[in-house]
Amino acid sequence: GAVVSQHPSRVICKSGTSVKIECRSLDFQATTMFWYRQFPKQSLMLMATSNEGSKATYEQGVEKDKFLINHASLTLSTLTVTSAHPEDSSFYICSARRGREPLHFGNGTRLTVT
Amino acid sequence: AQKVTQAQTEISVVEKEDVTLDCVYETRDTTYYLFWYKQPPSGELVFLIRRNSFDEQNEISGRYSWNFQKSTSSFNFTITASQVVDSAVYFCALSISNFGNEKLTFGTGTRLTIIP
Repeated sequence: GAVVSQHPSRVICKSGTSVKIECRSLDFQATTMFWYRQFPKQSLMLMATSNEGSKATYEQGVEKDKFLINHASLTLSTLTVTSAHPEDSSFYICSARRGREPLHFGNGTRLTVT
Repeated sequence: AQKVTQAQTEISVVEKEDVTLDCVYETRDTTYYLFWYKQPPSGELVFLIRRNSFDEQNEISGRYSWNFQKSTSSFNFTITASQVVDSAVYFCALSISNFGNEKLTFGTGTRLTIIP
């Protein structure tokens, strides 16, 4: 069964509002989680690495003030898209590391900003 | 920097045909991991295989097989006797971390359509 739960699976919000996406590791502690973004018919691009108890590490070109990441516990990382705009509409997917296993991915969140 | 190239953007084959998805990678690291993931229309990523750079043995899992050639920096994926359920986008990915469980560099994906 799924080891990483991502919520919500779909969200529609109005331009200018903020939306929070949750990524939870189930039955294991994930000190590190990764957030990816996928535009329609494109590849997955790493946005940031989320570390429990410390600041996230953002990839070049990703605005950290716009995409707020909080990894406040060992089982939860959140991505908040602040002041969302239509160009932020995308598929966001998280992954968590469990030991030496391949990364476990959530089912993704499809964000539509109107 | 790492790079993964999947030159085939879209492939369509008739059901029961075999199909090979190509993946070429670039890295200067000697230790790395290669992956294939399947992304069905629902969006989730389904893990298919992880292979480290020191293991060049080909692998077969049911109708799936993988051919790893370090000499050509390729890690190709073949589906034998394709089925409609194989229709999806397939991503090849690379990681240079110790166990391949750090950030992944994905290719652009190949959209595979199996025609019934």
